[in-house]
Amino acid sequence: KAGVTQTPRYLIKTRGQQVTLSCSPISGHRSVSWYQQTPGQGLQFLFEYFSETQRNKGNFPGRFSGRQFSNSRSEMNVSTLELGDSALYLCASSTRAWDRVLSNEQFFGPGTRLTVL
Amino acid sequence: AQSVTQPDIHITVSEGASLELRCNYSYGATPYLFWYVQSPGQGLQLLLKYFSGDTLVQGIKGFEAEFKRSQSSFNLRKPSVHWSDAAEYFCAVGAGQAGTALIFGKGTTLSVSS
Repeated sequence: KAGVTQTPRYLIKTRGQQVTLSCSPISGHRSVSWYQQTPGQGLQFLFEYFSETQRNKGNFPGRFSGRQFSNSRSEMNVSTLELGDSALYLCASSTRAWDRVLSNEQFFGPGTRLTVL
Repeated sequence: AQSVTQPDIHITVSEGASLELRCNYSYGATPYLFWYVQSPGQGLQLLLKYFSGDTLVQGIKGFEAEFKRSQSSFNLRKPSVHWSDAAEYFCAVGAGQAGTALIFGKGTTLSVSS
């Protein structure tokens, strides 16, 4: 079974631009979560999508948005990039049953390294 | 507020020695707890998880962790460390709807000396 894939793996953008990151979950997984990892703040939860709807949201500004498609693939968008958005963005997928936690193990992709100049 | 604390930023252990990484959590309800490992340039790999039941859980690569509700702790242990265990270790608690919003600690970097 293929793992979580993220594209692109590396991105360089300049301040003010916008960027879209893509995540393909493990086949059969319907939940996709996004995390930002920086040396200063560590790993922080951005949001989670399940069945094409955002189910959980972290404490990030509205410049960070996402969506999920019917095939469970997810995209994350960051508008008006700032230097502080430079980070490793990790996507994770899991099986999920609405509001019940089963064996809710999240499988992480390798991440997209975003550098904002 | 929900939070996870890993008191040790960096630990060095001799190869073959035992290891214990500390994790304390703050969570109002029954916690869903996880330990992940991250090697340089890699994503996160799940070592083990606790949802309910037996408070001593076994994971991959010879790791185990013990959930102690009275101490709000979920410490990770390994009886004999190998050089390949050198990595960064993260403790997390599952929050939000269905526990799928992971709150991570700041991580502990493990170095293994020969």
